[in-house]
Amino acid sequence: AQTVTQSQPEMSVQEAETVTLSCTYDTSESDYYLFWYKQPPSRQMILVIRQEAYKQQNATENRFSVNFQKAAKSFSLKISDSQLGDAAMYFCAYRSVWAGFQGAQKLVFGQGTRLTINP
Amino acid sequence: EAGVAQSPRYKIIEKRQSVAFWCNPISGHATLYWYQQILGQGPKLLIQFQNNGVVDDSQLPKDRFSAERLKGVDSTLKIQPAKLEDSAVYLCASSTSGTGGHGYTFGSGTRLTVV
Repeated sequence: AQTVTQSQPEMSVQEAETVTLSCTYDTSESDYYLFWYKQPPSRQMILVIRQEAYKQQNATENRFSVNFQKAAKSFSLKISDSQLGDAAMYFCAYRSVWAGFQGAQKLVFGQGTRLTINP
Repeated sequence: EAGVAQSPRYKIIEKRQSVAFWCNPISGHATLYWYQQILGQGPKLLIQFQNNGVVDDSQLPKDRFSAERLKGVDSTLKIQPAKLEDSAVYLCASSTSGTGGHGYTFGSGTRLTVV
């Protein structure tokens, strides 16, 4: 079974600075998807960025980028120019490509990192 | 497009009582998921539907939890009887079927407190 580990329960950063959130995962599969989700106090999970394992190029979405190290099974999120609205819980998640007999793929989440932005 | 709707937003019940949560997914999304998120943890899948059929309920405590998805659209998750450890946020999500790498669309969840 796949597992996802986020070793930083809490992180804080000054507004306008850069912060990196860590994530490692364990899988025997060669192809899969990785995601970072943001969960503000409203509780709704919001997709921040996704990475397809077969792509070597790191995904980027505006101020958000990832450092995907497939051999090391590492998937960190970098937030540049941090803004107050970035404060939230951030979850790393894994999803298989192969559906298997059980149908569509489930997301496996890490424990989350609470990010605080200091003004 | 409208998002995933969930109700109620909050619920407080006493242990041994029953409770039900409702979810209306995005129109046309064949796959629906119920996740349980205990405070301080990441969400954990309880059950997954493909249209109106169950494809994964391996983590659902079937002695007390049940779920159904009528006509492949709305879904209801029920707990009977509730225990203190069921206190959590219950998130519903939906996605299109297939092997695409798109993430889900989540609802805002129901926060359940069992006292």
